[in-house]
Amino acid sequence: DIQLTQSPSSLSASVGDRVTITCQASQDIRKYLNWFQQKPGKAPKLLIFDASRLETGVPSRFSGSGSGTDFTFTISSLQPEDVATYYCHQYANLFTFGPGTKVDVQ
Amino acid sequence: EVQLVESGGGLVQPGGSLRLSCAASGFTFSSHSMNWVRQAPGKGLEWVSYISTSGSTIKYADSVKGRFTISRDNARNSLYLQMNSLRDEDSALYYCALASSQHWGQGTLVAVSS
Repeated sequence: DIQLTQSPSSLSASVGDRVTITCQASQDIRKYLNWFQQKPGKAPKLLIFDASRLETGVPSRFSGSGSGTDFTFTISSLQPEDVATYYCHQYANLFTFGPGTKVDVQ
Repeated sequence: EVQLVESGGGLVQPGGSLRLSCAASGFTFSSHSMNWVRQAPGKGLEWVSYISTSGSTIKYADSVKGRFTISRDNARNSLYLQMNSLRDEDSALYYCALASSQHWGQGTLVAVSS
């Protein structure tokens, strides 16, 4: 089974800060990685698919990069509405979610 | 508008059974593979099961293999999850989602407790 690790597990940053989350896969998953945003009481929302492709309607301050085993998710300028938990998710071999990164605004 | 509406959750005793349903609308259901994903209270997301468009390919997480059965009825635009031999650790909000992950329902809550 493919395992995903995310870091950090939580972070707090100021409005306007650049925020970066990393996701590492236990084996090569090529580009088959999604990034989700989940706000309390809501279903997950797809932000990035195929590691770097922005889902329709998602603000351009969100971006993703990487391939193979190492991936990065970036919020270029943190906004108050970005408070949420962010999950990476691989679909190269079955499906696995990372443990999540909780993002707060200071 | 794509809609996925789960139902069938509830309180059940350990060892019991439940059947979850997911009613799909706003898209060609038969053209999309589907997943069930769950989230225990205060915890992360866990993939549960996958079914291909025709139902010919089915996958399960090890944690539910042999106890849960996924199925679909393309004529009724519906996805199902039959859950047997339920355990405390199966308590969670169960989401149905397109396997492409673009659309999710709002979930149905399953509580396993004596």
